[in-house]
Amino acid sequence: DAGITQSPRHKVTETGTPVTLRCHQTENHRYMYWYRQDPGHGLRLIHYSYGVKDTDKGEVSDGYSVSRSKTEDFLLTLESATSSQTSVYFCAISDGTRAGTDTQYFGPGTRLTVL
Amino acid sequence: AQSVTQLDSHVSVSEGTPVLLRCNYSSSYSPSLFWYVQHPNKGLQLLLKYTSAATLVKGINGFEAEFKKSETSFHLTKPSAHMSDAAEYFCVVSVRGSQGNLIFGKGTKLSVKP
Repeated sequence: DAGITQSPRHKVTETGTPVTLRCHQTENHRYMYWYRQDPGHGLRLIHYSYGVKDTDKGEVSDGYSVSRSKTEDFLLTLESATSSQTSVYFCAISDGTRAGTDTQYFGPGTRLTVL
Repeated sequence: AQSVTQLDSHVSVSEGTPVLLRCNYSSSYSPSLFWYVQHPNKGLQLLLKYTSAATLVKGINGFEAEFKKSETSFHLTKPSAHMSDAAEYFCVVSVRGSQGNLIFGKGTKLSVKP
């Protein structure tokens, strides 16, 4: 298994509170991604990073921000959580050597519930 | 723009019978295509991928998929289902020129009956 951990694995929070999810990798891969998974939607890209301090938006980025200050860590922040952000969040990594054909490896996921 | 459609949201088979999970894609370019599997409450695991080499791609656990450009399809098959194959399967296309961003189908849940 690729060395990817996510923390926390489960979180329950209240509407309006800030939440930060962490993805940590030990593979020294260049690219890191945050997805959310909702029933009937598959996975949808929130944000991704192609290097330290280099990030870009994905399909569903509204209400989310990210930061990457070290190669191994990619943080996803919900500035003010809403019930629509209740979801399972997955981090993924890829080495970026063959853009468009790289395999992405996924972490175990974080289940977030916003009450 | 690229897109992917999984034609069945749920497939049920008996153990020992063949599995067919259908996927059609849309892409202006020659795509890279993947199948991932997700067991309950787990992360996603790569089954196989197509990247313009051989059109018949073999993956893990006896799965394979055939890229058919004329039909814009990438169906996943297995000759004989096992109980452990029960999971959700995602067909995925890579967005060309996009730093490897992926577009996921909505998933097909495979049930295997004893």
